[in-house]
Amino acid sequence: GEKVEQHESTLSVREGDSAVINCTYTDTASSYFPWYKQEAGKGLHFVIDIRSNVDRKQSQRLIVLLDKKAKRFSLHITATQPEDSAIYFCAASINNAGAKLTFGGGTRLTVRP
Amino acid sequence: GALVYQYPRRTICKSGTSMRMECQAVGFQATSVAWYRQSPQKTFELIALSTVNSAIKYEQNFTQEKFPISHPNLSFSSMTVLNAYLEDRGLYLCGAREGGEQYFGPGTRLTVL
Repeated sequence: GEKVEQHESTLSVREGDSAVINCTYTDTASSYFPWYKQEAGKGLHFVIDIRSNVDRKQSQRLIVLLDKKAKRFSLHITATQPEDSAIYFCAASINNAGAKLTFGGGTRLTVRP
Repeated sequence: GALVYQYPRRTICKSGTSMRMECQAVGFQATSVAWYRQSPQKTFELIALSTVNSAIKYEQNFTQEKFPISHPNLSFSSMTVLNAYLEDRGLYLCGAREGGEQYFGPGTRLTVL
């Protein structure tokens, strides 16, 4: 089955700098790649997603890149703010709408003031 | 807007007893509901996926005998953890999809004593 690896388990950046979180996946049939944020003691909050028909998507300070050849995708948070601090999870799904998601292990992002 | 409620938010049960949790989609009709578990210090694992007009599909390591799910209509699903033991503790998330994005509830945190 699909395996998703999240390469950075922790990441610390200074406020205003960019943060990049990288994920790789194994199933070439995966076509939907969402990102979620989990704050302390809470559930998952949708952040941004990308589908396999594009290789870049931007929403305000968030950019997602997808490299299908390398089976790699990444989340770039620009101009980070302390409130961006959380655990970020990448996920992959072979179903374009993501009914069944395989999650990465999570990256704890700390933005230092 | 689309919201997913989960009840209870936190629960404690004695080892060997059972515990039922509920998931309610509000503002949309959930064509599929996925139940995930996040064990302490781990990522999210899919327990089962319930799709309208299809049988509930359980992932490896999870069975209907241990985690029976009821999905009687397009807005409600419940799951029971039968004979809960220490390894069942964690955050149980319900993800409901209406055809596009998957919306997650805040989770039910299960503590087993």
